[in-house]
Amino acid sequence: TQLLEQSPQFLSIQEGENLTVYCNSSSVFSSLQWYRQEPGEGPVLLVTVVTGGEVKKLKRLTFQFGDARKDSSLHITAAQTGDTGLYLCAGARGSGTYKYIFGTGTRLKVLA
Amino acid sequence: DVKVTQSSRYLVKRTGEKVFLECVQDMDHENMFWYRQDPGLGLRLIYFSYDVKMKEKGDIPEGYSVSREKKERFSLILESASTNQTSMYLCASSPARGNNYGYTFGSGTRLTVV
Repeated sequence: TQLLEQSPQFLSIQEGENLTVYCNSSSVFSSLQWYRQEPGEGPVLLVTVVTGGEVKKLKRLTFQFGDARKDSSLHITAAQTGDTGLYLCAGARGSGTYKYIFGTGTRLKVLA
Repeated sequence: DVKVTQSSRYLVKRTGEKVFLECVQDMDHENMFWYRQDPGLGLRLIYFSYDVKMKEKGDIPEGYSVSREKKERFSLILESASTNQTSMYLCASSPARGNNYGYTFGSGTRLTVV
């Protein structure tokens, strides 16, 4: 059972455009993380959100955790070619857990 | 710079071979994990360990075993490699259970079984 659905699966945009990717679930998560993975490499942690409604910014990236802690979004402003990669969300079930459930990812390509 | 190091970036093995994938972390993390990543299926947890000599099955442990004799090293063993084990294997580590620090991943091992 896939507990974390990411959308869109694929996204191709021009440099300078804005975009939003989504991570949705019917389950509640105690925390949620976003990773970026470049081809041939392992995922790299971008951010962890813990509190419902929390918003975190990382330069041009804005992450939001839903009020009910069931969903999250990642918004990129003025995308650059360096933003190209696979974006993965991962949710932790319960405060005592250290296992994360991963979504299938959004593959982003930013064209020059 | 903190690191998770996987011993091989690419491996080609024959069906039936016993395969060892090694992972070492230098962050003194308690937790270590092995995932495989396949197109359309995302990351799936094979095994994890939250302490030396401790191991627990993940979602897809069949055909795999693990060993954690030292805190910094977590090995994944394919007892008898099969073509359906061709995949990208990712090792990860994290600090002690219950916190939200997330994973540090290695660069991955792309295994092809022929």
